[in-house]
Amino acid sequence: GAVVSQHPSRVICKSGTSVKIECRSLDFQATTMFWYRQFPKKSLMLMATSNEGSKATYEQGVEKDKFLINHASLTLSTLTVTSAHPEDSSFYICSANVPDTQYFGPGTRLTVL
Amino acid sequence: DAKTTQPTSMDCAEGRAANLPCNHSTISGNEYVYWYRQIHSQGPQYIIHGLKNNETNEMASLIITEDRKSSTLILPHATLRDTAVYYCIVKKSEGGKLIFGQGTELSVKP
Repeated sequence: GAVVSQHPSRVICKSGTSVKIECRSLDFQATTMFWYRQFPKKSLMLMATSNEGSKATYEQGVEKDKFLINHASLTLSTLTVTSAHPEDSSFYICSANVPDTQYFGPGTRLTVL
Repeated sequence: DAKTTQPTSMDCAEGRAANLPCNHSTISGNEYVYWYRQIHSQGPQYIIHGLKNNETNEMASLIITEDRKSSTLILPHATLRDTAVYYCIVKKSEGGKLIFGQGTELSVKP
């Protein structure tokens, strides 16, 4: 299957700082990528759909000014958590769309102190 | 997209077949059944998907009932490494979003 990578795999930051997470499709191009977050013992929650060359589409209840998404190329989407607070600590996972399915990255564990 | 219902948890003996059921009674004609699994602290892994015919690949088999209101994922010879949460999701093949429910926590025991 197609390979999706994320960087970093883990990040610890201080409250009030911003953190950028990268999602790359390694062996294919993806016009659409998705960002999810997952709290402990919970299911994945879709945050937003990232479209190459256009603005991201955010799910209801997700603050677009707090979770900035940029999809500058067909192989890279970034999620920036701005002014992070402890409640933003979570597992962030991206996925990339191929014609008939989606492949997921390994996830990024964010801890905000 | 149609909603799915899965048992919360299941156990399976190592080496035996694991049969994971999923109900999707409101599925529409152009929606596919997708299966993913998530091993602890990893991203979800694609397993298989189908529209109405049964499907098989190197990981699993997918059996869809004739009325398409339910399906079963079969892991033919479960190993300890198959312990994971298995998600059954219904969506249109082209585009659309994968919306995850609670899934089935499968525990494969020695």
